[in-house]
Amino acid sequence: QVQLFQSGAELRKPGASVKVSCRASGYTFTNFGVSWVRQAPGRGLEWMGWNSADNYNTRYAEKFEGRLSLTTDSSTSTAYMELRSLRSDDTALYFCARDRASRVDYLDYWGQGTLVTVSS
Amino acid sequence: EIVMTQSPGTLSVSPGERVTLSCRASQRVSSDLAWYQQKPGQAPRLLIYGASTRATGIPARFRGSGSETEFTLTISSLQSEDFAFYYCQQYYSWVTFGGGTKVEI
Repeated sequence: QVQLFQSGAELRKPGASVKVSCRASGYTFTNFGVSWVRQAPGRGLEWMGWNSADNYNTRYAEKFEGRLSLTTDSSTSTAYMELRSLRSDDTALYFCARDRASRVDYLDYWGQGTLVTVSS
Repeated sequence: EIVMTQSPGTLSVSPGERVTLSCRASQRVSSDLAWYQQKPGQAPRLLIYGASTRATGIPARFRGSGSETEFTLTISSLQSEDFAFYYCQQYYSWVTFGGGTKVEI
């Protein structure tokens, strides 16, 4: 069955970077894309960006341009989200989700979420 | 950016009731609209895509309708496990989510 397994919780200081992984199983990784969505405590869902599993296409939400990097490693069926210059308002639960390979689409399978806490 | 507006923010209902949740897009999104259910501490779960197609394993009591700018999620007879947050998502022009509707007892 399709599963997305994310790395564990992270604690970072303001100004630092964080890299979250998302390992996929149960499907052909390169036939799909990956979107990343975050949820601040008590808030709604916020889309961060998408990339195709072959790394040929990437799109970032405007507010994250310049400090977000989305990559994949097809040899391990793993997607990565790196967020730089962290601020306290980046504290959130970060989700990866399976998307379409050629464009964004509905998100049919989700990882369990990774809590990133930014605090001095 | 396409803004998605959900209403109401909170819906207080009883088990067995019929529930209607609304989602409005600031621009036309065709039928590129999905609905998700999220319970505390869990990842969202896809309910509906293409505005009206139920995802795999979703009970028939969940029905999506609408197109372009006005969309509705109807739960025909609310079950205890349906108390949760519900989010709409457009994927016509990249992705934006609505602010969510909380369905509570």
